[in-house]
Order: sequence, then structure tokens, then C-alpha cells
Amino acid sequence: DTAVSQTPKYLVTQMGNDKSIKCEQNLGHDTMYWYKQDSKKFLKIMFSYNNKELIINETVPNRFSPKSPDKAHLNLHINSLELGDSAVYFCASSQDRSKSSYEQYFGPGTRLTVT
Amino acid sequence: RKEVEQDPGPFNVPEGATVAFNCTYSNSASQSFFWYRQDCRKEPKLLMSVYSSGNEDGRFTAQLNRASQYISLLIRDSKLSDSATYLCVVNSNSGGYQKVTFGIGTKLQVIP
Repeated sequence: DTAVSQTPKYLVTQMGNDKSIKCEQNLGHDTMYWYKQDSKKFLKIMFSYNNKELIINETVPNRFSPKSPDKAHLNLHINSLELGDSAVYFCASSQDRSKSSYEQYFGPGTRLTVT
Repeated sequence: RKEVEQDPGPFNVPEGATVAFNCTYSNSASQSFFWYRQDCRKEPKLLMSVYSSGNEDGRFTAQLNRASQYISLLIRDSKLSDSATYLCVVNSNSGGYQKVTFGIGTKLQVIP
């Protein structure tokens, strides 16, 4: 009965490769997010989707491309991986994009290591 | 000035102690405030929302001071299991969507 799930949990790959991380939520939420947590533990938002529509796109290299096939899924594809992409990537969801009072539910994270 | 600022710590306290964390935010139009807890190598999880009148949940008390733009978290009778990083989160409504800003987190280590 996992609320927000991500796959894979660990991803080790070489520079220059292309990889994807998948996220699914079974909470019926409208809004989903991708966050990056770097080695200094700072959690920074990358993207936000509401009902398959992109609503937040922070300053992220265009090598990162989110895709939302439906409102329960938000995948992250990364092209031409670089060493600096090594981090933990968290997917999250919340109930309603317009309600700032709703909490976010996070997935377990994907630990990406680029060698 | 960062949008949400926290002292990263670490705060090392003995079991049973009372510890308090503060968090300041820069956007006076911020609407909702939360404390999340993140254990080592785990995802953040909501600890408690912060209400204007202040609120308490067991050993945890959260307060909001809108005039000074800060929120606080007080933990009484610290337990070893309270060791974690506490993230301050500030939400605002921007252009019809929820803008969520996390602080860097304050690390708490409760010592036997």
C-alpha cells in the first residue's frame, strides 16, 4: 500500500549515459514534484506537474525532462549524465496545486551515482 | 537573503533535554508552514503543520510569528529516536499554484 513509489532505488551509471527514474502515487493527488537533494542535503524543487501539466520548472538543465503520462505518474529522464548529477532524487505528491496548506508525501528517493 | 533559513547544526543534546529550533522566511505573503522530519537516508515526512495560534503534538510544540517572519519547533524530553534532521517548509500561493520552499534543515543528535 505504498503511497508514493520510485524506481529504481539505486542507480549507478557512467557519465554520458541516459537514464530514467519512475514515480507513481496511489493517493489520487493532482500534483506531483521532483526534488533533488545534493551532498549538502539541500532539498531543491526541480519540477511540478498538475494533472499532467507542467506548472513549475526551476532552473534545471534541459538534459532533465519530466514526463507525466497520467496524473498518477511522473517520470524523470536525464540525458548525458554528468558527475554533478549525483544526488538523491525525490518524487512527491500533494492533493491540490492551489492549496498551500496541503502537505507533500515523498517517495523513498532514488540515489543516483554518476561515475 | 535565502527564502527559508535554518541553522544547520548539529545540535547535540542529552536525552531528556528540551531543544528549540528556529526558522526564518523572507516572503511576507507566505501562507502555510510546516516542520518535516528526515531520518538519515530516508525521505522527508511531515512532523506537524504550524498554525497561527501555535500548536502542540505530544512533546512537540510549533509556533509562528508572522510579524518577525519566523517559526519555531520545541521538543521536550528529547528521546534518542528524535535524532534526525528537521526541515522547515514554507508554502505560498504563486500564480495559482503551491510554491514550496524547504530550509536546509537542522540536524539534531540526542545523546544517551
